[in-house]
Parts: sequence; structure tokens; C-alpha cells
Amino acid sequence: EDKVVQSPLSLVVHEGDTVTLNCSYEVTNFRSLLWYKQEKKAPTFLFMLTSSGIEKKSGRLSSILDKKELFSILNITATQTGDSAIYLCAYYQAGTALIFGKGTTLSVSS
Amino acid sequence: GAGVSQTPSNKVTEKGKYVELRCDPISGHTALYWYRQSLGQGPEFLIYFQGTGAADDSGLPNDRFFAVRPEGSVSTLKIQRTERGDSAVYLCASSLGGGLDTQYFGPGTRLTVL
Repeated sequence: EDKVVQSPLSLVVHEGDTVTLNCSYEVTNFRSLLWYKQEKKAPTFLFMLTSSGIEKKSGRLSSILDKKELFSILNITATQTGDSAIYLCAYYQAGTALIFGKGTTLSVSS
Repeated sequence: GAGVSQTPSNKVTEKGKYVELRCDPISGHTALYWYRQSLGQGPEFLIYFQGTGAADDSGLPNDRFFAVRPEGSVSTLKIQRTERGDSAVYLCASSLGGGLDTQYFGPGTRLTVL
């Protein structure tokens, strides 16, 4: 059965820390992996990863995919309180529906 | 430009009642998705529309759930004979053409069934 597992499920850090969030997947017909940030209710798109080893970067956030070891990481450097959110990892199933992990809840304290 | 909008933002109903949840996708997006998110879980796929037709409804949990998109834009998710287990946040997303196009989510409707 296809699945995606995120770790840790929750994380508390201090402002300025660097965090690494993990997403491992078992998918029979992998196409791409996505990261979303969810504050309150609406998930906001962060990255889509299709190729292995190519880092995607946006400000203090970056992500990379390893298709051999079947995982992805999301890094956040110099964390701020505004980074507090649930970070969701997902993959496309049969090119249509997104299948999500349970998410990692990140809390950044000032 | 306007993003995906959903109404109402919150809906409280009694067990056994009928509810309708509305989604207005990004203009020009042909693909529309409904997801359901329970506390502590990631969003769970319900149904996918390409234009006016439901291309994949394999995620609908049972026949109390139904969705329409009659003109290929606005969609309505309908839940009959609501049960307490239906309480969740219902999220709508749209993408330009479906497939691997990025899905953009609305703010969701929090449904509470008493």
C-alpha cells in the first residue's frame, strides 16, 4: 500500500534554530512530492520535487528529494515565530489526488 | 488575483441534517478537488472534477456524500443525514489543468455535527 510518513510529528524550537523535517514514502508509481505549510486551515504550497538531488530553495526554506532512498527533507534556517505551522508532505496518486502524510507540527518560541 | 474561496467558513449542524459546502476555484482552473481533514491528520482526498465531470470520486466515504460542478466552475459538496463522524475541515483545491499541476487550497469549511 502506498504511503507517506512524516517525522517528527511535532517539534518545538527557539527562534534562530535550524530545523529539518523528514518525509519518507513508499509509492509504486512515483511522480512528484510536494510540501505544504498549513497555518489555521488553508495549506499553502511550498515546493514540488520531481528530480532527485536537485535542491529547491525559497528564502530560508529549502527542500531536496532522494529517489533512491525514498525520502525528502525540508530545511528551515534561522526560524522565526511566523514559521510555526503544520508542514505537510504529499505525493500525487495516479496524477490526480494528493496523498498526504499526517504532518509535522512546528512551534517556534521567541 | 483571487484565490480559492469557500463558504461558509464554519457550519454547525445537528445529526441527521443535510448540509451544502461551496467552493469557488481560481478563475480559469479546470481541475477542482475536495479533501477532508480530521484533527491530527493530513487532508484526505474525496473527489476530483475535471471541468463539469467527476473524474475520480473514489475517496467519497459513502453514498451520503455527493458533489457537483454543473458549470465547470463553482462546486458544491453535499452531505445527507450528517453524522458526528462527519465533523472535520472540508478543504477545496483547484489547479490549472489537473495532472501534476500545483493544487491551490482554499481556507476550508469547519463542519461540526452535534
